Parts: sequence; structure tokens; C-alpha cells
Amino acid sequence: KAGVTQTPRYLIKTRGQQVTLSCSPISGHRSVSWYQQTPGQGLQFLFEYFSETQRNKGNFPGRFSGRQFSNSRSEMNVSTLELGDSALYLCASSLTGPGERSGNTIYFGEGSWLTVV
Amino acid sequence: GQQVMQIPQYQHVQEGEDFTTYCNSSTTLSNIQWYKQRPGGHPVFLIQLVKSGEVKKQKRLTFQFGEAKKNSSLHITATQTTDVGTYFCAGTQGGSQGNLIFGKGTKLSVKP
Repeated sequence: KAGVTQTPRYLIKTRGQQVTLSCSPISGHRSVSWYQQTPGQGLQFLFEYFSETQRNKGNFPGRFSGRQFSNSRSEMNVSTLELGDSALYLCASSLTGPGERSGNTIYFGEGSWLTVV
Repeated sequence: GQQVMQIPQYQHVQEGEDFTTYCNSSTTLSNIQWYKQRPGGHPVFLIQLVKSGEVKKQKRLTFQFGEAKKNSSLHITATQTTDVGTYFCAGTQGGSQGNLIFGKGTKLSVKP
């Protein structure tokens, strides 16, 4: 079956602009989580959506937002971009969520590389 | 806030040597997961540990979850060049709906 698909793979934006990233989870997966990965901070949790509802949120400013559609596809948006937002944004999908005890596998997409200049 | 500390940050080994990375949490975890990320790639799920004191093996990889569910380790026996990458642990707190808190990772390089 198809893996987690993230688009776009690479993009360059200017400070102050906004960006929307898209994630299509594995078919049947209802949980989509977003992470920011930078060399300095590592992998940081942004938020998790399950059945169109935001179930968990990390410690990021309100400029970072997301949503999930009825087909489980998810988007994240970053408004008023700052240089420090340059990072790899990763989406992860799973059947029921990253915190589940059932041992369900979490699958990451290849990520969207965002450069803010 | 929740923290998962992972050491060492870097490890350089000769092919055939063993490798271990350790994770410690400031709080009790519901479960812990391990991921491997190859250079330029994305994290790939390796395993999840749930039970106190649990030990799981995958070929040359041995994963342990501490009795207090606050620490974990990944041990690779007789490393190979294909083991190169960054190994991350990630813990969850807060039951079934907890979010993943990642360690900073251990970057493993293997000299042939």
C-alpha cells in the first residue's frame, strides 16, 4: 500500500509569508501527527489530529496551525514566517495515534523541507 | 515540561563493534518507541515497548525498557555499515492519547 505522502518536498519562502504543507496518510489511518525537525532542537511535536479533531498540541506559537479533512488528509499552516521556521516538517500517520499501547506502527512521510529567507 | 534525554549524541565505531544508546525520561512513560533515520531520510519506526522491564530483540538489535519505565536502551551487536544513521527514542506520557516526546538522537557512524 502507498506510504505517507507529503507535498511539497522542498520550498523556499520569504520572511512574513505563509505556507501550507499537505500530508496524505496511509489508507485507513485516522491519526496524523506533525513534527518539526531541526539540527539544534531535534524532532519536536507540533500537533496530532484524529478524525478531524486536534487531539494534542505541542509548545509552538499560534502561527502554527493545522487541520484534518474527512478523508484523513491533513494540512499544516505557518503564518508570518520567521527565519527560525526553516526546518524539515514531518508528518506521521498511524491507525489510532502515537500514544496508543496497541503497538500500532507509526509511519513517517519523507517530509517537506522549508527554507525561509 | 516532559523531557527525554538521549546519550551519547554521537558514536563512532569500527565495524563489528557493539553500540548502545540510552534514553532517560524525567517522568514515567506510558511506552517508548525507537526510530532510525538514515542520512537524508525520514524516521523509520523500529519498535515499541510498553511493559515495565520489557526486552525485545530484532536480529542484532536489543531493546530494553526499564523497570520504572523511565529509561530505555538500544543495543546493536556487531555493527555493520548498514547500521549507520541516527537512532531516536520517543516516549509518551499521558496514556493512550499522549504525544511523542523525542530524544535528540544518537548519530552512529561505522567505519568499515
